[in-house]
Amino acid sequence: NAGVMQNPRHLVRRRGQEARLRCSPMKGHSHVYWYRQLPEEGLKFMVYLQKENIIDESGMPKERFSAEFPKEGPSILRIQQVVRGDSAAYFCASSPLSGQINQPQHFGDGTRLSIL
Amino acid sequence: GIQVEQSPPDLILQEGANSTLRCNFSDSVNNLQWFHQNPWGQLINLFYIPSGTKQNGRLSATTVATERYSLLYISSSQTTDSGVYFCAVERLGSYGKLTFGQGTILTVHP
Repeated sequence: NAGVMQNPRHLVRRRGQEARLRCSPMKGHSHVYWYRQLPEEGLKFMVYLQKENIIDESGMPKERFSAEFPKEGPSILRIQQVVRGDSAAYFCASSPLSGQINQPQHFGDGTRLSIL
Repeated sequence: GIQVEQSPPDLILQEGANSTLRCNFSDSVNNLQWFHQNPWGQLINLFYIPSGTKQNGRLSATTVATERYSLLYISSSQTTDSGVYFCAVERLGSYGKLTFGQGTILTVHP
């Protein structure tokens, strides 16, 4: 499967624990985007990364959330000390080049995070 | 930031009916995508259509960039078309950041 791969598909955490969500972009794609979908809402942009660089994190909460896209391996969205309000579906998307004409973003199947 | 409004918010159809979903946006864009979110939560990419018209089977889409709107047409609807349809746009200069509308919830009854 050459699509965007996210894991795990479902993640359950207790309040105060850490959540790590992983995203492997499509082959040949060097740009990764994370979006969050709260229940009954549309998707909201969180962060845009290239290899080893955060380009735009304007949608990321200032505390407890961080993201990285290392030179090797998947992109990681990390949520520390989770709270009930973090329960949501987290989607990752990738594209080959930012702003390139005729290049859509391709989305993974998402990770459903549930906080007990 | 750019505003994206979708209409109608909800739509109920009988199988076989046709429908038109609309997406209005408030600024110039260089990317517009239509998605279908199925009952399992997966986002299916329907169209990449910053301008012009495209067709894929029973679905087609038209974007009039100069007038800042896009339309998604579903013909001969089937129960499997049920779900939420999202429009998402990338404002010029926003480096790939997509802004999503609130979606249209489509229910197709047999």
